[in-house]
This record gives sequence, structure tokens and C-alpha cells, in this order.
Amino acid sequence: GAGVSQSPSNKVTEKGKDVELRCDPISGHTALYWYRQSLGQGLEFLIYFQGNSAPDKSGLPSDRFSAERTGGSVSTLTIQRTQQEDSAVYLCASSATQGTEAFFGQGTRLTVV
Amino acid sequence: AQSVTQPDIHITVSEGASLELRCNYSYGATPYLFWYVQSPGQGLQLLLKYFSGDTLVQGIKGFEAEFKRSQSSFNLRKPSVHWSDAAEYFCAVGPSGGSYIPTFGRGTSLIVHP
Repeated sequence: GAGVSQSPSNKVTEKGKDVELRCDPISGHTALYWYRQSLGQGLEFLIYFQGNSAPDKSGLPSDRFSAERTGGSVSTLTIQRTQQEDSAVYLCASSATQGTEAFFGQGTRLTVV
Repeated sequence: AQSVTQPDIHITVSEGASLELRCNYSYGATPYLFWYVQSPGQGLQLLLKYFSGDTLVQGIKGFEAEFKRSQSSFNLRKPSVHWSDAAEYFCAVGPSGGSYIPTFGRGTSLIVHP
């Protein structure tokens, strides 16, 4: 596609439910990042995929968070047993290779009620 | 570890006035540096980037930034601000060397008065 696509754009879920957030990176981009942006805060790194290498999961805040990237393209971020503090905008970005600029999707606004 | 500091949380300017947003970084080598803009409800859009070469870089929407190694700074400037420039601005240190994860500053919110 022309840009990074994220779905859904908005998600409201009940506390304790699981959610899946999807990211379609720019075609051919090997690097993919997930960030979290809480109200009034900067971007918090969550996880990084580069090609077929093992992902860098060092930013995941708890074991309730996981992500996968299938076929080196689409990525899914899963949050299990959601908590109210998980409410945030989740941003996905991709870049052509390591060291080049990241292109961002519009984000998924997650609200846990 | 690399880090980025944007010391101003909010900046207020009048339309037509000049603008400078500050960014300081901590990195062991020559970094890749970026400025992004985020309008309300939108993702981040790249304004400009510095990889190497000329330390004054031009970007979109009339923005420019200057890399100053001696000051570890990469400040964003615009000579005349438009009301549509009101947004959140993020400075970032890009993947380079051993760390492939872009690190972002906390952002500066730009308010433009008519």
C-alpha cells in the first residue's frame, strides 16, 4: 500500500478482555516498530522486528503484551487481560532498512473501560 | 544508551512570528536525527532528517533544522509560523550503530495565536 495502515482506528474494550491490533507496513519495508503513546506523553517503544531476525521485545511492559509478524509483513500486537492503564494510542511504523526514517500509521486508539 | 531531550513542553507563538523548537540528544557517535509532526488524531509525519553532510537541512512546510555537534543539538526552525503549524513536534534519534530503535523525545506542543 501507499502508507502504513493500522486497524482498527478505534477500539473500546472491557477490562479483562483480550485485544488484537493490526499493522500493515509499507510493502518491502523490512523493519517494523510498535510504540505506545499515552495522553500527553511521548512515544514509548514496545517491540521491533527486522526481517527474519528475532524481535527486540525489550520495550514490552508486561507479559500480557505480545506481537508477531507473519511473512515479514503484517504485524499483530496482542494485549491480554486488558487493564485501564493500557488505554493509549498504539502506533506502528516501518522503515525500508535499519537506519532509515520510520513511516508511521495513523494509530489505534485503545480505550479500556 | 541514546536519549533525546525536548526541554519545552509547550511553546506559544503568534502567527507570522519565527519559531525555534529545541532538541538535545545523547549519543556516542554521529546520530541520525529526525523531526516529526503530529496533528491531532493523526500519526507522525516526517518533517526532515539529518544523516550526514550539510548540517543545515531543509524540510517540508518551510521548516529547517541545524545539527550542531558541539552542542549536541538539532533545533527546528521556521521563519514565519502559520496557524496550521499548531501541532505536536517530536525530535528523534534514529537507528544507528548497535541500537536500531528510534528514540523519541517527549514532544513539544506548538500553540499558534492569531
